[in-house]
Amino acid sequence: SAVISQKPSRDICQRGTSLTIQCQVDSQVTMMFWYRQQPGQSLTLIATANQGSEATYESGFVIDKFPISRPNLTFSTLTVSNLSPEDSSIYLCSVEDRRQGIQYFGAGTRLSVL
Amino acid sequence: AQSVTQLDSQVPVFEEAPVELRCNYSSSVSVYLFWYVQYPNQGLQLLLKYLSGSTLVKGINGFEAEFNKSQTSFHLRKPSVHISDTAEYFCAVSEDTGRRALTFGSGTRLQVQP
Repeated sequence: SAVISQKPSRDICQRGTSLTIQCQVDSQVTMMFWYRQQPGQSLTLIATANQGSEATYESGFVIDKFPISRPNLTFSTLTVSNLSPEDSSIYLCSVEDRRQGIQYFGAGTRLSVL
Repeated sequence: AQSVTQLDSQVPVFEEAPVELRCNYSSSVSVYLFWYVQYPNQGLQLLLKYLSGSTLVKGINGFEAEFNKSQTSFHLRKPSVHISDTAEYFCAVSEDTGRRALTFGSGTRLQVQP
């Protein structure tokens, strides 16, 4: 199984600032995924990040608001820009073990925007 | 595109009683099916998966689920629950090819009472 380290685990940010979340995996993976879990709700896919190419964003999510980097096969970052209270959520990264057909999740980053 | 419906937002049950959490999905292509559990203030943990083969799959912590293609269902069951099973349970689906990002249901809160 993949071990995923996500940082920070939680943060409190001011309106208008940005937060960058890091996701580190202990093995090389082709695809990494970023999800958002708004308070009391389910998970929604933000984007898919492949190494060496632009991230693919889901409907309702744009690169200017959620820029993603994927510099190598074990690391990715998600930035949440120009924060507003509506961005208060848990953000999770995940990776797929394609051979097993399983996605593993990081522990998540709990973001609160004041 | 796929969608997942979890029919019960909350399921209260007494300790040692059986439980079934319902999940229905829709998809125009073949899918993989998953159940994840989220304990308070924690990330997602995979309970079990259906990729192919036997339609009855067994997972961790005594849970099992049955894939019913004709009814497009993947209900989760446990014959005897414990207080420690109190958590949020998410049913999820992905295509069996390509990107394989997960689409989640809205979640079911299992509340085990003494």
